[in-house]
Amino acid sequence: GAGVSQSPSNKVTEKGKDVELRCDPISGHTALYWYRQSLGQGLEFLIYFQGNSAPDKSGLPSDRFSAERTGGSVSTLTIQRTQQEDSAVYLCASSPGLAGRRGEQYFGPGTRLTVT
Amino acid sequence: RKEVEQDPGPFNVPEGATVAFNCTYSNSASQSFFWYRQDCRKEPKLLMSVYSSGNEDGRFTAQLNRASQYISLLIRDSKLSDSATYLCVVNSLSNDYKLSFGAGTTVTVRA
Repeated sequence: GAGVSQSPSNKVTEKGKDVELRCDPISGHTALYWYRQSLGQGLEFLIYFQGNSAPDKSGLPSDRFSAERTGGSVSTLTIQRTQQEDSAVYLCASSPGLAGRRGEQYFGPGTRLTVT
Repeated sequence: RKEVEQDPGPFNVPEGATVAFNCTYSNSASQSFFWYRQDCRKEPKLLMSVYSSGNEDGRFTAQLNRASQYISLLIRDSKLSDSATYLCVVNSLSNDYKLSFGAGTTVTVRA
């Protein structure tokens, strides 16, 4: 079946511009997660959604970052006034959201963001 | 202190060898543990969950030591295709949805 998809796969933007990253989770998965990974670094948790609600936004690095999810499906991560330190791979994952299975996360291929 | 710590390696092993490595976690009340693998410039993929009694999946064996707060992964009869970075993952103390990822242990299997 279809896995998690993300778009665009690559994005080059100028410092100060806004960018929008999209994630399509696996159909039926109630939980959706955003992470970012800098070169050679581990995954940094940004935010997760349970349905359309985001109970934990503590990982968002600054108020330039926001995310939403609609219809319990597609999610967008928006970065306003991008900075060079925002350059990273942004990964989306989804999971069934069932107790005991929340750690079974299925990742998309990521969006590689480069801020020049 | 990081929630999950791993030896970055690399572990360079010949084909057919056994390789094992650990990770340590800081929250003693963590309940869920996983190993993910990540190939170069690819997304992480779930390799296996780690159960309290230890578990095996083919050539892969995972162990959990709650007293010492570490998880181990052992790979038997290494294949070239096992070359990857292995991520140790633990659920957050406060939130079962939130996972903490280690930075990974790199394994390179050579012919």
